[in-house]
Amino acid sequence: SQTIHQWPATLVQPVGSPLSLECTVEGTSNPNLYWYRQAAGRGLQLLFYSVGIGQISSEVPQNLSASRPQDRQFILSSKKLLLSDSGFYLCAWNGWEYNEKLFFGSGTQLSVL
Amino acid sequence: AQTVTQSQPEMSVQEAETVTLSCTYDTSENNYYLFWYKQPPSRQMILVIRQEAYKQQNATENRFSVNFQKAAKSFSLKISDSQLGDTAMYFCAFIHLGAGNNRKLIWGLGTSLAVNP
Repeated sequence: SQTIHQWPATLVQPVGSPLSLECTVEGTSNPNLYWYRQAAGRGLQLLFYSVGIGQISSEVPQNLSASRPQDRQFILSSKKLLLSDSGFYLCAWNGWEYNEKLFFGSGTQLSVL
Repeated sequence: AQTVTQSQPEMSVQEAETVTLSCTYDTSENNYYLFWYKQPPSRQMILVIRQEAYKQQNATENRFSVNFQKAAKSFSLKISDSQLGDTAMYFCAFIHLGAGNNRKLIWGLGTSLAVNP
């Protein structure tokens, strides 16, 4: 069965510190991978998506970057966090074989202080 | 522009009653999927229902059903016999299919639904 792991669940980081959030997928191959950010009580903002290893598309110019070192691994990073990077981060994947259904991780609540 | 509009930021319903959440979208494509996702207080995103645009028959999943009007680009969600566990944020979204299209969902801003006892 398809599983998506996202960690950590919560993270408190000081301004200016680095960030690395990791997401891995099991039970499928060559998935499309996504990083979303959600402000409290708001909708989903697509940050990055990837259709293959090393292929990253950025949706919003920002302080963050993404990488896909392996087929089922997607990493969200920052060299220096800003207060505005606080939010709820969701990793997700989909594939044509699942009729484009988007599977979500459980999310990471990031607080930058 | 590809957009999804959910015109009701907040709604409430009494337990056991029926509620309809509205969604309209804009696309020039003809081949796409439409979705309703639910995000309860746990914040886990859960697929509620999916509709293929080429199908005229409205999708149903137990107490959840949609009213899909392709010409009007409308995709409303009806929840029957509302339960307390239906309290959540509901998001409408669509994705284009076919070669050359990127695999991104276009999302609405959500409707916060409260089911009252």
